[in-house]
Amino acid sequence: NAGVTQTPKFQVLKTGQSMTLQCAQDMNHEYMSWYRQDPGMGLRLIHYSVGAGITDQGEVPNGYNVSRSTTEDFPLRLLSAAPSQTSVYFCASSYSPTGGYGYTFGSGTRLTVV
Amino acid sequence: AQSVSQHNHHVILSEAASLELGCNYSYGGTVNLFWYVQYPGQHLQLLLKYFSGDPLVKGIKGFEAEFIKSKFSFNLRKPSVQWSDTAEYFCAVNAYRDDKIIFGKGTRLHILP
Repeated sequence: NAGVTQTPKFQVLKTGQSMTLQCAQDMNHEYMSWYRQDPGMGLRLIHYSVGAGITDQGEVPNGYNVSRSTTEDFPLRLLSAAPSQTSVYFCASSYSPTGGYGYTFGSGTRLTVV
Repeated sequence: AQSVSQHNHHVILSEAASLELGCNYSYGGTVNLFWYVQYPGQHLQLLLKYFSGDPLVKGIKGFEAEFIKSKFSFNLRKPSVQWSDTAEYFCAVNAYRDDKIIFGKGTRLHILP
């Protein structure tokens, strides 16, 4: 089925560990983004990409790294995990945010940093 | 930069009651506006969207929203809610020619059977 696939669904990390959250879409969407969802804070944009080879920072980029080598994949890297990064992470894709088509969201990754 | 404010953090209604969730945005230019819904344990789904034209937008599951430009508002409405509408609702804005969609903090809606 076409859509946005995120892996893993759940992850527990120790403080200081690094890891990569995977995101892949098969809809040929140019635009992809990562959000984190925290209680009472809504969704906050971490990083986004308007196409392969192009990325930019969102509202809360510190502690995260991204790259976009292909149209399909947009991995999110945690460089040195901290308890403040405990959250649910959502990847989303769209033809274009400026066209206002809205996003297709993945099912999320629940990350706990201890 | 644009921002979104949702007035109610938590709303509790009985079945068949009418619903209105408030959303205001801060941006002086042209915007695209969205409402998303997140059912318990699921990811966000698009309810409805406004680009231009008729300011009254109809979405899925009987929801509608009205864009009032003079008030910078995009309130979500439903005339008669059901228990299955229990979810969290997010308003979002995309400034024209910007590459980002900014979300509000969400309103948690609880429908009593």
